[in-house]
Amino acid sequence: DAGITQSPRHKVTETGTPVTLRCHQTENHRYMYWYRQDPGHGLRLIHYSYGVKDTDKGEVSDGYSVSRSKTEDFLLTLESATSSQTSVYFCAISELMLNTEAFFGQGTRLTVV
Amino acid sequence: GESVGLHLPTLSVQEGDNSIINCAYSNSASDYFIWYKQESGKGPQFIIDIRSNMDKRQGQRVTVLLNKTVKHLSLQIAATQPGDSAVYFCAETFGDGLTFGKGTHLIIQP
Repeated sequence: DAGITQSPRHKVTETGTPVTLRCHQTENHRYMYWYRQDPGHGLRLIHYSYGVKDTDKGEVSDGYSVSRSKTEDFLLTLESATSSQTSVYFCAISELMLNTEAFFGQGTRLTVV
Repeated sequence: GESVGLHLPTLSVQEGDNSIINCAYSNSASDYFIWYKQESGKGPQFIIDIRSNMDKRQGQRVTVLLNKTVKHLSLQIAATQPGDSAVYFCAETFGDGLTFGKGTHLIIQP
């Protein structure tokens, strides 16, 4: 998986609680992404980063925030989890521009009850 | 809505036959396309890519064809094997990040 580690791999949390998912890479790639995958919707981009402290919104960014304080770590935070955020979350990295091949992590299954 | 889609949600083929998975895209400005394979419980895995200035690209047992006239992309897998069983996604890019189709589940019959 191209040196990408997501943690935790599974999480169950209650509505209204904050949740942080972590993506760690060992490839020193510049670009990092967070996607969510839902049945009937495929993979949708939440946020992405093009460098340390440089982030931007994707297609479905509402309710999520991200931070990148180091090249190797990209954090996704749900400030107040809702049931609609139950999903599988994937982190991806790419070496070059945004519109090139991206390598994906194994995913985090998040359930909000 | 989604600008990238797939014609069939499920494709069943006999082991050893060739598989063809199709994808339609709607944005004529898309300039880069990727096929991903996703096995159960795993993240998407890059298979092959193609740029809009190409019509065909071949890899090991896989070929991607791009028809810009009708905005159609296909993935051909030669001599399909049990290990090819997965969901296959096409993705396009014309701006920030990748836009994915919903996927086709390839089922291999023995």
